[in-house]
Amino acid sequence: AQSVTQPDIHITVSEGASLELRCNYSYGATPYLFWYVQSPGQGLQLLLKYFSGDTLVQGIKGFEAEFKRSQSSFNLRKPSVHWSDAAEYFCAVGARGSYIPTFGRGTSLIVHP
Amino acid sequence: EAQVTQNPRYLITVTGKKLTVTCSQNMNHEYMSWYRQDPGLGLRQIYYSMNVEVTDKGDVPEGYKVSRKEKRNFPLILESPSPNQTSLYFCASSLLGDLALHFGNGTRLTVT
Repeated sequence: AQSVTQPDIHITVSEGASLELRCNYSYGATPYLFWYVQSPGQGLQLLLKYFSGDTLVQGIKGFEAEFKRSQSSFNLRKPSVHWSDAAEYFCAVGARGSYIPTFGRGTSLIVHP
Repeated sequence: EAQVTQNPRYLITVTGKKLTVTCSQNMNHEYMSWYRQDPGLGLRQIYYSMNVEVTDKGDVPEGYKVSRKEKRNFPLILESPSPNQTSLYFCASSLLGDLALHFGNGTRLTVT
């Protein structure tokens, strides 16, 4: 069975600073990988996904993530954070042929002005 | 507009009083799923459905029922709610095999 670890419960950055949110997964083969964002009072919104091919994936809102098989990681990055990026971020992994994606416990991003 | 609609957004009820949370999607998605979100535990899947009349248990199905009589609707039923089912519930849908989920805005349930 697959599993996901988001090591950071909270991350605080200043507006305009760069951001990297960590995600490590455990799965025997190449998984499907996702990042979602949850703004307060809202449902989750898909930021980006990796299925195959280019390991650097571009998403919405200026986010990108890089799949590193050797490190079993799929870290989310943004070069310059905006105050509106403050939210909860979830990494998820799905096994090919499965219908039960596994979510990490989330990282709460706090943005200081 | 493509969306997943859940109702109600907020629900307060008492132990043992049956309730239904509705979920509807307008994207013709085959796959639909229910999650609960609890502090420190992230999202846990309750039930999922791959198509009409096809449902299966997720990680935490105890105390819940679902049905999928139409492709667009996937209601979550709590026959006898208990306080440990107080949580934030999300419905989600996707194309089959895609797993790129579209989420509703959530239903915050309180059982007293």
